[in-house]
Amino acid sequence: ETGVTQSPTHLIKTRGQQVTLRCSSQSGHNTVSWYQQALGQGPQFIFQYYREEENGRGNFPPRFSGLQFPNYSSELNVNALELDDSALYLCASSYQSQAGTYEQYFGPGTRLTVT
Amino acid sequence: RKEVEQDPGPFNVPEGATVAFNCTYSNSASQSFFWYRQDCRKEPKLLMSVYSSGNEDGRFTAQLNRASQYISLLIRDSKLSDSATYLCVVNPNNFNKFYFGSGTKLNVKP
Repeated sequence: ETGVTQSPTHLIKTRGQQVTLRCSSQSGHNTVSWYQQALGQGPQFIFQYYREEENGRGNFPPRFSGLQFPNYSSELNVNALELDDSALYLCASSYQSQAGTYEQYFGPGTRLTVT
Repeated sequence: RKEVEQDPGPFNVPEGATVAFNCTYSNSASQSFFWYRQDCRKEPKLLMSVYSSGNEDGRFTAQLNRASQYISLLIRDSKLSDSATYLCVVNPNNFNKFYFGSGTKLNVKP
């Protein structure tokens, strides 16, 4: 087990609604990244948080937003849900070393279905 | 062009076989590389990091070819439990962005 937890495990929402997904990072990890994985695809990078600041963003619209808290846990918020937002949302935590190299460890994911 | 490309497979092999996957990447300045394994409806799990010329971990060997911009994963003596999707991951700036391939599916059969 990686020590990364996510909640909820499953969620069903209606188009136009808003959703908040949560992630607790592995102890000692100061960086959290969020990914969206559609069926049959690899995970797509949404954004990353380091020390409570957004630290890089993929090609996702502004209705995808996030937060990181002082304990390094994080939230992903998605507004105005669309049918195409249905996917597995993965959180990955990592420790950013001085050398700059680091590995990411994933939580079990939240499966979001938008109807 | 995608950042990372993989053959989706599936690769269907018998137990005990040796199988190899390749993955190509587009950014020649990419710094670090990884292989993850993902079981159906589960999260990706780190299998191996590939930082320089490659490395080996038991039955698994990863190689990096910077000149041709590809990394490979070799699995020897395949087990039924190796059946999964293998994701190639590239970290171009050694920092905050990780690019995943779409994965290569491996089925190991008795």
